[in-house]
Amino acid sequence: AQTVTQSQPEMSVQEAETVTLSCTYDTSESDYYLFWYKQPPSRQMILVIRQEAYKQQNATENRFSVNFQKAAKSFSLKISDSQLGDAAMYFCAYRSAVGSGGGADGLTFGKGTHLIIQP
Amino acid sequence: DTAVSQTPKYLVTQMGNDKSIKCEQNLGHDTMYWYKQDSKKFLKIMFSYNNKELIINETVPNRFSPKSPDKAHLNLHINSLELGDSAVYFCASSQGFQETQYFGPGTRLLVL
Repeated sequence: AQTVTQSQPEMSVQEAETVTLSCTYDTSESDYYLFWYKQPPSRQMILVIRQEAYKQQNATENRFSVNFQKAAKSFSLKISDSQLGDAAMYFCAYRSAVGSGGGADGLTFGKGTHLIIQP
Repeated sequence: DTAVSQTPKYLVTQMGNDKSIKCEQNLGHDTMYWYKQDSKKFLKIMFSYNNKELIINETVPNRFSPKSPDKAHLNLHINSLELGDSAVYFCASSQGFQETQYFGPGTRLLVL
């Protein structure tokens, strides 16, 4: 079974600075997808970024970028120019590309990192 | 337009009762899911449905049963509610298992 580990229960960063959230995962598969989701106090789960394992290029979405190291099974999220609205729980998630049964599979989540933005 | 909606958003009930949570998606997706988020914020997959067929069923009690009347809906029925069922339940959908999952707003269930 796959596991996802987020070793930082909480991180704090000054507004406008850069912060990196860590995520490692364990899998025996070669084809899979990785995600970062954001959960603000409203509790809505919002997709931040997605990475396909077969792509060597790191995904980027505006101020959010990832450092995907497949051999090391590491998938960190970098947030540049942090804003107050970035304050939230951030979840790293894994999904098999092979799936099970008829082909569908759910996400395996890490325990989350609570990001605090200091004004 | 809300992509994935859930009703109700809050549900307070007594132990032993039976309750349902409804989920609807208007994205045209063919796969839907239910997740449980416990008091420590840990999210875990419960069920997924693809084209009205149950694909995976994690180790959840058989008091929980998903029901899909059509491709756009996946409702969650819970019988004989227990204190430990208190959690936030999220519905999600995707187009095939390879595509990104989009989540509903969650339903906070409190069992007294």
